[in-house]
Amino acid sequence: AQSVAQPEDQVNVAEGNPLTVKCTYSVSGNPYLFWYVQYPNRGLQFLLKYITGDNLVKGSYGFEAEFNKSQTSFHLKKPSALVSDSALYFCAVRDILTGGGNKLTFGTGTQLKVEL
Amino acid sequence: NAGVTQTPKFQVLKTGQSMTLQCAQDMNHEYMSWYRQDPGMGLRLIHYSVGAGITDQGEVPNGYNVSRSTTEDFPLRLLSAAPSQTSVYFCASSWTGRGGTDTQYFGPGTRLTVL
Repeated sequence: AQSVAQPEDQVNVAEGNPLTVKCTYSVSGNPYLFWYVQYPNRGLQFLLKYITGDNLVKGSYGFEAEFNKSQTSFHLKKPSALVSDSALYFCAVRDILTGGGNKLTFGTGTQLKVEL
Repeated sequence: NAGVTQTPKFQVLKTGQSMTLQCAQDMNHEYMSWYRQDPGMGLRLIHYSVGAGITDQGEVPNGYNVSRSTTEDFPLRLLSAAPSQTSVYFCASSWTGRGGTDTQYFGPGTRLTVL
């Protein structure tokens, strides 16, 4: 089964500074990787995904993610953090089900707090 | 487009009661699924459907039932609620369930408490 790990429960960063939210993956075959963000009492919003191609993936709200095959990582980044970026971030990997469908296997989430 | 909608937003049940969580999407997506979110555990797949009339179990299906009679709707039924089913439930949809590169879009969630 595929899996992802988010090693940090919480990341604190000052507004205007660059931010990184870490994710490592374990897959057999090609990895299909996703980042989602969850604001308080809201559903998950899609940020970006890596399927194939360029290792730097650009997404919504100025976020980007760097796919690194040798380090099996897919870290989420933003050059300049905003207070409004404070939220819960989930990394996910596509996993194939025995019935032929697929699911997203999520990490446990990283709480990002951006302070003034 | 309204996207993925869920009702109710909040629900409190007593142990043993049954209820149905509603999910609908207006994007003509073939693939729909239900997840539950529990603290420190991320989201776990309950059931999924790759099209009308086709459903299958996910990681944590026990105590839940689903059906898919139309493309738009994918209700989740709790047969006899238990405190362990206290959670936040999310419905998601994507174009297809095959290949797995399609983005899944999530509804706003239903917060369920079982006393």
